[in-house]
Amino acid sequence: DSGVTQTPKHLITATGQRVTLRCSPRSGDLSVYWYQQSLDQGLQFLIQYYNGEERAKGNILERFSAQQFPDLHSELNLSSLELGDSALYFCASSAGLGRTEQYFGPGTRLTVT
Amino acid sequence: TQLLEQSPQFLSIQEGENLTVYCNSSSVFSSLQWYRQEPGEGPVLLVTVVTGGEVKKLKRLTFQFGDARKDSSLHITAAQPGDTGLYLCAGVSTGAGSYQLTFGKGTKLSVIP
Repeated sequence: DSGVTQTPKHLITATGQRVTLRCSPRSGDLSVYWYQQSLDQGLQFLIQYYNGEERAKGNILERFSAQQFPDLHSELNLSSLELGDSALYFCASSAGLGRTEQYFGPGTRLTVT
Repeated sequence: TQLLEQSPQFLSIQEGENLTVYCNSSSVFSSLQWYRQEPGEGPVLLVTVVTGGEVKKLKRLTFQFGDARKDSSLHITAAQPGDTGLYLCAGVSTGAGSYQLTFGKGTKLSVIP
């Protein structure tokens, strides 16, 4: 158990819909990262937040957005969903900006039908 | 765009055999990490190698970072069924007070009893 929690575990929705994925980092960790894992693309970095502020962006689509709240939990919002958005979405946390070790949650499996 | 290529993509071996997994890039990374991911779970960090030429051992696993910090290898001695999983390498890049992980697509290892 990494100490990172993600909800829901599974999510099935239709094209065009909007969903919100939730992540709670390990106790004391200030950085949260979101990743998308698909069979063809592998694990892709989407976005990083540190203590409530966006810190780095990766291959995140404009239809996707995220935020980190004062209690340090984070949400990833996916809108106008397409079939190709079906994937595993992972959240990871680390202690701070100077720490490279990331601890991953169990993931949310999103299926868009 | 920094890319990490892992080989082989799939590996199926008998219990007790040795194996080596490779991770190669044309880019230099400040450090490199190896993760193992089991089905339905998030990746778990195994090791971080920082210095060119560095060798780290974790029980039956030996990790090496190339002299030029562009490539790495993972060697498993006397593989066990418990070693089965997806092995991911990740290059660590730093900049603007933060860092990002670039993941390879992974090597899926099956150890047959």
